[in-house]
Amino acid sequence: DIQMTQSPSSLSASVGDRVIITCRASQGIGYSLTWFQQKPGKAPKSLIYDASSLQSGVPSRFSGSGSGTDFTLTISSLKPDDFATYYCQQYHNYPYTFGPGTKVDVK
Amino acid sequence: EVQLVESGGDLVQPGGSLRLSCAASGFTFSDYFMDWVRQAPGKGLEWVGRNRNKANSYTTEYAASVKGRFTVSRDDSNNSLYLHMNSLKTEDTAVYYCVRGRKGFDSWGQGTLVTVSS
Repeated sequence: DIQMTQSPSSLSASVGDRVIITCRASQGIGYSLTWFQQKPGKAPKSLIYDASSLQSGVPSRFSGSGSGTDFTLTISSLKPDDFATYYCQQYHNYPYTFGPGTKVDVK
Repeated sequence: EVQLVESGGDLVQPGGSLRLSCAASGFTFSDYFMDWVRQAPGKGLEWVGRNRNKANSYTTEYAASVKGRFTVSRDDSNNSLYLHMNSLKTEDTAVYYCVRGRKGFDSWGQGTLVTVSS
């Protein structure tokens, strides 16, 4: 199975900050990576697919990059609505696997 | 608007069975691969299984943790996805999400809670 790791596991930030979350796969997955945002008690929301493509309706302050084993999610200027937990997931091989999550909270 | 609505979650004893349903609307259900993802209380996300569309012979894939116990099926005539769960274990306790398997996982239901406990 492909193992996904994320760093940091949590971070504290302020509105307006630039936030970068990294995701690493245990083997190459090409561009088969997606990013989700999840708020407490809610279903995950897809932000990015194919490593860098923005889902419809997602604000442009979110961006993704990377390929192979190393990926990043960047929030260019944090908004109050962005405090949440972020997960990466690979869909290169079965079983599809998720990273453990990165919690972004208020500094 | 894409909508996925899960139902069927319940409290069940270890070793028991349960069937979850997902009613889909707002898109041509029969065209899409569909997945189940679960989340144990306070934990991260775990992919459970996939059902491919008719063009791909409705073939399925499963996580090792559920293979042989869970079955993902669908009824395209009713725009419905199902998760048949047998030999349930306490570690299957989770919120189960129905997910459309397009562009990564682009649409999620609100989830249904399955609790396995004696």
